[in-house]
Amino acid sequence: KQEVTQIPAALSVPEGENLVLNCSFTDSAIYNLQWFRQDPGKGLTSLLLIQSSQREQTSGRLNASLDKSSGRSTLYIAASQPGDSATYLCAVTLYNQGGKLIFGQGTELSVKP
Amino acid sequence: EAQVTQNPRYLITVTGKKLTVTCSQNMNHEYMSWYRQDPGLGLRQIYYSMNVEVTDKGDVPEGYKVSRKEKRNFPLILESPSPNQTSLYFCASSLSGQGWNGYTFGSGTRLTVV
Repeated sequence: KQEVTQIPAALSVPEGENLVLNCSFTDSAIYNLQWFRQDPGKGLTSLLLIQSSQREQTSGRLNASLDKSSGRSTLYIAASQPGDSATYLCAVTLYNQGGKLIFGQGTELSVKP
Repeated sequence: EAQVTQNPRYLITVTGKKLTVTCSQNMNHEYMSWYRQDPGLGLRQIYYSMNVEVTDKGDVPEGYKVSRKEKRNFPLILESPSPNQTSLYFCASSLSGQGWNGYTFGSGTRLTVV
């Protein structure tokens, strides 16, 4: 059974720091991996999507990497800002699983001014 | 604007009173799905629909019904809500069932059953 784990569960950093959020999954036979952002009480906003054949994706200050063989993905946030404060979720999609997203529990990020 | 729209955003209801949460997408997506989010349990899939008239159960379908009579709409129906269905609900859509272009989520519906 695929399990997705995110470490750390919570992270607090001063503004301007570069930071890394980690996501690991137990079954490497994934179709793709997606990083989302969730603000308190709000919906999920897609940040980056990495197909299983790709190694990384970049969008602005965000960079996500994927190492399928080791079952790991990282989300790198450069020059963090208070507006980056949110919960970050990673989710994988498996083959032949009805398109189901399997989510990690998330990392709650707080960026202090 | 491309989006998934859920209504209502907030709902408080009483046990046993049937309710429907609507979901509509304007991206001509084939695939739609419902999730619930609970503290400590994360996000879990309730039902999904690969295309019109085709729906199937996810991981936690008990107490829920869905229908997909047209491509853009995928309502979630609670025939007899119970307090354990108090949760934050999300609708999601994707161009295809494998989500090769990723998933778009609605803003969520916070349901309280008393």
